[in-house]
Amino acid sequence: KAGVTQTPRYLIKTRGQQVTLSCSPISGHRSVSWYQQTPGQGLQFLFEYFSETQRNKGNFPGRFSGRQFSNSRSEMNVSTLELGDSALYLCASSQTSAAYNEQFFGPGTRLTVL
Amino acid sequence: QQQVKQSPQSLIVQKGGIPIINCAYENTAFDYFPWYQQFPGKGPALLIAIRPDVSEKKEGRFTISFNKSAKQFSLHIMDSQPGDSATYFCAARGSSNTGKLIFGQGTTLQVKP
Repeated sequence: KAGVTQTPRYLIKTRGQQVTLSCSPISGHRSVSWYQQTPGQGLQFLFEYFSETQRNKGNFPGRFSGRQFSNSRSEMNVSTLELGDSALYLCASSQTSAAYNEQFFGPGTRLTVL
Repeated sequence: QQQVKQSPQSLIVQKGGIPIINCAYENTAFDYFPWYQQFPGKGPALLIAIRPDVSEKKEGRFTISFNKSAKQFSLHIMDSQPGDSATYFCAARGSSNTGKLIFGQGTTLQVKP
């Protein structure tokens, strides 16, 4: 089985722009979670989607949003980019949204905001 | 209460040594504790996970020890190899927060040949 794929792998944007990141989960996985990884804050949960519904949301401003499509693929969007949004954005998929379900991470999208 | 505290921040051991990474949590609602390994330029990879009804779990050279009363858990890497050099993250997830992992700050491990 192919793993979690994320596109693009690298992005460079300027302050004020918006960006859309894409995640394709492992085939058969219906739950997708997004995380932000920075050297200072570590890995922080952004949101989780299951069956096209947002199930959980982390403590991030409204500039961060996401959605999930009927084929379980997910996108996240960041509007009005700030320098502090520079980070590795990771997507993880699992079969269901159950607590003990293993989450498998993609390679991430490295976003640099100039 | 939502934090997971991980120590040490960095660790250097000789090949064959047994590095130990510790994590502590406060929220008793957490009931699933995975460990992830991350190499530079890669996403975290699931190593091993444990539930609090088990005090120890082994998978290959990796062992999790779990102390429910102390709200602590640790990762031991037996017979460590230079290829184990990576950053290790502990995490916790509560049954009421399905899908949401709370991560420790990470431990950078270097195994010297």
